[in-house]
Amino acid sequence: AQTIHQWPVAEIKAVGSPLSLGCTIKGKSSPNLYWYWQATGGTLQQLFYSITVGQVESVVQLNLSASRPKDDQFILSTEKLLLSHSGFYLCAWSPDWGAQDTQYFGPGTRLLVL
Amino acid sequence: QQQVRQSPQSLTVWEGETAILNCSYEDSTFNYFPWYQQFPGEGPALLISISSVSDKKEDGRFTIFFNKREKKLSLHITDSQPGDSATYFCAASDRGSALGRLHFGAGTQLIVIP
Repeated sequence: AQTIHQWPVAEIKAVGSPLSLGCTIKGKSSPNLYWYWQATGGTLQQLFYSITVGQVESVVQLNLSASRPKDDQFILSTEKLLLSHSGFYLCAWSPDWGAQDTQYFGPGTRLLVL
Repeated sequence: QQQVRQSPQSLTVWEGETAILNCSYEDSTFNYFPWYQQFPGEGPALLISISSVSDKKEDGRFTIFFNKREKKLSLHITDSQPGDSATYFCAASDRGSALGRLHFGAGTQLIVIP
């Protein structure tokens, strides 16, 4: 069975500080990976997607960047946090062929920027 | 332009009643419609999905009704239980596209009163 792990569970950071959020998928080779952002009480906004190691496409940047250093790992980062970055960050995966739009979400990372 | 719209924003029903959550979409190329259930502080979980070749999909107490001509669908939750209290997101995608990007609605918050 596939498992998806996100770290950290929650972060409180200062405006202007750097950020790095991680996501790991186990039990599935070559998955498509996605980063989403969700404001409190809001909808899910896709930020980035990756279909293979080293390749990341931006959907909405929000002054963030993403990287895929390994087949099972997806990283979201920024060098300088903004207040508007607060929210819930979700990593998701889908099969690399066929039902690519059937996406499965991780538990999320709660970020508060002060 | 919002591609997927949901109504109502919030819905309260008594235990045992049927909850009806509505969804409509703009893009006629959309052909896959998953519904996600999200509890506070957790990532969304895939609940049930339907493709545009069907007009009904049933899974236990959850049923999707789909009207392609009107570009509308609805999620019916029969015999609602307090444990069904959550936010429900309707999503849509075009399975003919390269990646199958999911477009999410704003969500419906369901409250089931015992």
